[in-house]
Amino acid sequence: SQQGEEDPQALSIQEGENATMNCSYKTSINNLQWYRQNSGRGLVHLILIRSNEREKHSGRLRVTLDTSKKSSSLLITASRAADTASYFCATDASSASKIIFGSGTRLSIRP
Amino acid sequence: DVKVTQSSRYLVKRTGEKVFLECVQDMDHENMFWYRQDPGLGLRLIYFSYDVKMKEKGDIPEGYSVSREKKERFSLILESASTNQTSMYLCASSFQSSTDTQYFGPGTRLTVL
Repeated sequence: SQQGEEDPQALSIQEGENATMNCSYKTSINNLQWYRQNSGRGLVHLILIRSNEREKHSGRLRVTLDTSKKSSSLLITASRAADTASYFCATDASSASKIIFGSGTRLSIRP
Repeated sequence: DVKVTQSSRYLVKRTGEKVFLECVQDMDHENMFWYRQDPGLGLRLIYFSYDVKMKEKGDIPEGYSVSREKKERFSLILESASTNQTSMYLCASSFQSSTDTQYFGPGTRLTVL
């Protein structure tokens, strides 16, 4: 199946540092989305990047998309304790009627 | 703001019981989804619905059924709960396309004893 795979599975950084997580996928997509999930809660949509876009910003978030490498990265700058969460990428195949979520990166921010 | 609510945050049931999980969205979204989330397996789609009374199987529909009698409400039914259905269940909705941004409820943590 066409699934986004996040890397790393877990990441621990100091507050104030930048966090980068990556997502790779297998087949052509229309768009790629990133979601955040706080412990024991539902997912919250962060950002959507279309296949014809290379970079997108939203506040402290920066997402890049490289369709030739079938990969995306999510950068969180100047991390805060509240950024501690799991982050998921979600992709849709060009011919599919659903999106598929990866297994996520667990981000911990140390005070 | 889109609001998706789920009937229970925590639920404990016994093996063989019939279980109903309800989800309501207040933004007139066309599509609604049920996922289960297990450690190391990410989110897996059980069923989704693109219109009232319409449904499509996801990746793991076995042991589950769904009902969408009204646009705002999507129910997940476990006909005879089993211990391997212990999981976190997440409901979501999206506006027009099933690949649009999804809005999630808070989740129901179901334990089957």
